[in-house]
Amino acid sequence: GNSVTQMEGPVTLSEEAFLTINCTYTATGYPSLFWYVQYPGEGLQLLLKATKADDKGSNKGFEATYRKETTSFHLEKGSVQVSDSAVYFCAVHTNAGKSTFGDGTTLTVKP
Amino acid sequence: DAGVTQSPTHLIKTRGQQVTLRCSPKSGHDTVSWYQQALGQGPQFIFQYYEEEERQRGNFPDRFSGHQFPNYSSELNVNALLLGDSALYLCASSLLTGADGQPQHFGDGTRLSIL
Repeated sequence: GNSVTQMEGPVTLSEEAFLTINCTYTATGYPSLFWYVQYPGEGLQLLLKATKADDKGSNKGFEATYRKETTSFHLEKGSVQVSDSAVYFCAVHTNAGKSTFGDGTTLTVKP
Repeated sequence: DAGVTQSPTHLIKTRGQQVTLRCSPKSGHDTVSWYQQALGQGPQFIFQYYEEEERQRGNFPDRFSGHQFPNYSSELNVNALLLGDSALYLCASSLLTGADGQPQHFGDGTRLSIL
């Protein structure tokens, strides 16, 4: 079956630091790749997505590029803010909507 | 435009009991999926409903069952509750058409605690 491996956390950064959260996946066919963010006490929210190889998803300063050759979808942001503190999940969508999630990476940004 | 709504927000049950969780999808969505999220882990797929039928199922026992109604809302039922069923249960809705590229819209979840 499909699987997603995320960089283990927690990750603690100072404001304006550079962020990378690694994500690699195993899936058959041509999956779509997603990053979701979960704030305390809330459900998951879509952060960005990419639906085919070499696509770059971007939103709110976050970026991730669909790398089929390395089966990766690493999340990056050039300058994090305190408000970015949350849990980030990488996910693979295949079979018309069935999603497989990583275990999440907790990010804490300190002022 | 209301997003995905789930009820109740919190629930406490004892072992052996049965529970029903409810979900209303985002307006315009026709597909509902349910996930179990244990503390410190990612969501685990339970099953997906479309046109009132279970379309896909994850690796969960038959104690977990569901239903989708004509208005696309959905219920998750869990029988013979175990301590290990304690988790956040998330409902997500989407459009089936072009679903591989469609993001799922999540509710805030129901926190189920088993004593």
